[in-house]
Amino acid sequence: EIVLTQSPGTLSLSPGERATLSCRASQSVSSRSLAWYQQKPGQAPRLLIYGASSRAAGSPDRFSGSGSGTDFTLTISRLEPEDFAVYYCQQYHDSITFGGGTKVEIK
Amino acid sequence: EVQLVQSGAEVKKPGESLNISCKGSGYRFTSYWIAWVRQMPGKGLEWMGAIYPYDSDIRYSPSFQGQVTLSVDKSISTAFLQWSSLKTSDTAMYYCARLGGRWPNAFDIWGQGTMATVSS
Repeated sequence: EIVLTQSPGTLSLSPGERATLSCRASQSVSSRSLAWYQQKPGQAPRLLIYGASSRAAGSPDRFSGSGSGTDFTLTISRLEPEDFAVYYCQQYHDSITFGGGTKVEIK
Repeated sequence: EVQLVQSGAEVKKPGESLNISCKGSGYRFTSYWIAWVRQMPGKGLEWMGAIYPYDSDIRYSPSFQGQVTLSVDKSISTAFLQWSSLKTSDTAMYYCARLGGRWPNAFDIWGQGTMATVSS
């Protein structure tokens, strides 16, 4: 099973700042097989990025994904108030697993 | 509109059975895998398994194999997640989600979630 480790666990930032979230895989993952989700309190998760760098329908362009092999990154260029949430990475290269999540909180 | 609508919250006792549902609409239900995801209170997302409605092909996470049963009724575009004997540790929010393409794939549409509470 591919284990995904997300860091940091919590990121404390102010609106307007840049957020950089990391997702590291225990073995190499195809860049076509890595997704990012956003989950706000009381809501279902929402797909933001698939194929490591392709934005899902409705995802704002301030969200971008990058990476390959075992290291992947989600970047939020300028945090908006609605971006404070928990973010999960997911690999679907070999079956499916999720990372433990990164909480982006208001500083 | 493409959507998945799940059944309502459940409160059960240990040892009881439970069946929660997920109805798809706005798309060809038999053409897309449906996955199930557990989220225990205050915790992260855990993939449980997935079913392909066209032929009922099923993939289980090793962590959930033998613990739950996935099924589907194509005639009513509905997938089911079933337990035969609940434990208190099954208390969680359960989401269904559609895979955006062939197996395996990202989850592009999510249901609203079903909260299951198991308590004596």
